[in-house]
Amino acid sequence: GAGVSQSPRYKVAKRGQDVALRCDPISGHVSLFWYQQALGQGPEFLTYFQNEAQLDKSGLPSDRFFAERPEGSVSTLKIQRTQQEDSAVYLCASSGYRGSDTEAFFGQGTRLTVV
Amino acid sequence: KQEVTQIPAALSVPEGENLVLNCSFTDSAIYNLQWFRQDPGKGLTSLLLIQSSQREQTSGRLNASLDKSSGRSTLYIAASQPGDSATYLCAVGPISSGSARQLTFGSGTQLTVLP
Repeated sequence: GAGVSQSPRYKVAKRGQDVALRCDPISGHVSLFWYQQALGQGPEFLTYFQNEAQLDKSGLPSDRFFAERPEGSVSTLKIQRTQQEDSAVYLCASSGYRGSDTEAFFGQGTRLTVV
Repeated sequence: KQEVTQIPAALSVPEGENLVLNCSFTDSAIYNLQWFRQDPGKGLTSLLLIQSSQREQTSGRLNASLDKSSGRSTLYIAASQPGDSATYLCAVGPISSGSARQLTFGSGTQLTVLP
């Protein structure tokens, strides 16, 4: 596709349930980022991949959060034993190497509601 | 740690008015600055990207300026229209030795243009 695609768009999970959020970046983009956006706030960085390598996971809030990008394309963010404070919009972004242009392109996001 | 502040948090203007949104950041060692638009329940749409070596970028009715030394950027919207109503987010990318360019976001300015 032409843009970053995320699925599902909406997810309601019962507290304690595991969830998996998917991101399809723009084809050929090397860098992939996950962000978490709480209501009324700007997105906050979770983790970064360069191809299949997870180079930075300093923003993951707890060890219940896990991300992977095994083939350097599609990425999955997994949240185990969801809690109410995990309710947020999860945004994926990708960027490529085009000289010094590192413009980030974002997907529509997955709105997670934990009940 | 980089902090990004956007003022005002909300702004309401009549259609046709020119307006300025402000963004300030605490660490001037940035690689680039990006302005995004976010419609309710949607992802982020990139509006303008300014590299650290640039002072401004223009796209249609939008003009963004960057003053790295003072840690400030402004987004100027000319002849505002009701369709411009959205939340506008400012984000800065750090200078880093690696390839990670995770963005630090402000909390956004919610703009309403009244018909």
